[in-house]
Amino acid sequence: DVKVTQSSRYLVKRTGEKVFLECVQDMDHENMFWYRQDPGLGLRLIYFSYDVKMKEKGDIPEGYSVSREKKERFSLILESASTNQTSMYLCASGSSYNEQFFGPGTRLTVL
Amino acid sequence: GEDVEQSLFLSVREGDSSVINCTYTDSSSTYLYWYKQEPGAGLQLLTYIFSNMDMKQDQRLTVLLNKKDKHLSLRIADTQTGDSAIYFCAEINSGTYKYIFGTGTRLKVLA
Repeated sequence: DVKVTQSSRYLVKRTGEKVFLECVQDMDHENMFWYRQDPGLGLRLIYFSYDVKMKEKGDIPEGYSVSREKKERFSLILESASTNQTSMYLCASGSSYNEQFFGPGTRLTVL
Repeated sequence: GEDVEQSLFLSVREGDSSVINCTYTDSSSTYLYWYKQEPGAGLQLLTYIFSNMDMKQDQRLTVLLNKKDKHLSLRIADTQTGDSAIYFCAEINSGTYKYIFGTGTRLKVLA
């Protein structure tokens, strides 16, 4: 059974803290993605990666960075969390035109 | 730029048909997708259609694609309360393999 796991389902952080969101997939997919989901805005792509140590900016990369040291793991980093980064964060993995497999999401609240 | 639009809400009675509509802008999209997100969960692929098809049927689901108008629809026959969820349409950019998701349509099924 294919699986994408995210390190936390719920996370509460304070403004200015550094936040790490981890995502692991067990399908040997080349491509991994980080989205944020906000009501009425759908999913917006933050960053994606085609391969280990490769990263590409998505539509809203400001305030975020990523790391892909191993094929199965893609980390999203908020260097200094702000209240407008309160959101649901979804990780996905996939291969070229195939479907994307999503993790359950991390609901991040920044106080 | 690329954009995928959906209406935000749809309410139907149990047993009726639901039709969720989507318009997209990238005429070079090879595949178009419908994803379902149940409460508290990530997205799961429901069905997809290849761009050279007009229609695809899969049990209770019918996908219609009008390439001329760049319009995609998902029809759910005999809608059940378990179909209550958010439905996202998505296209894939043929050059970058980036998915572009719509805003999502929240379907509410009334008993």
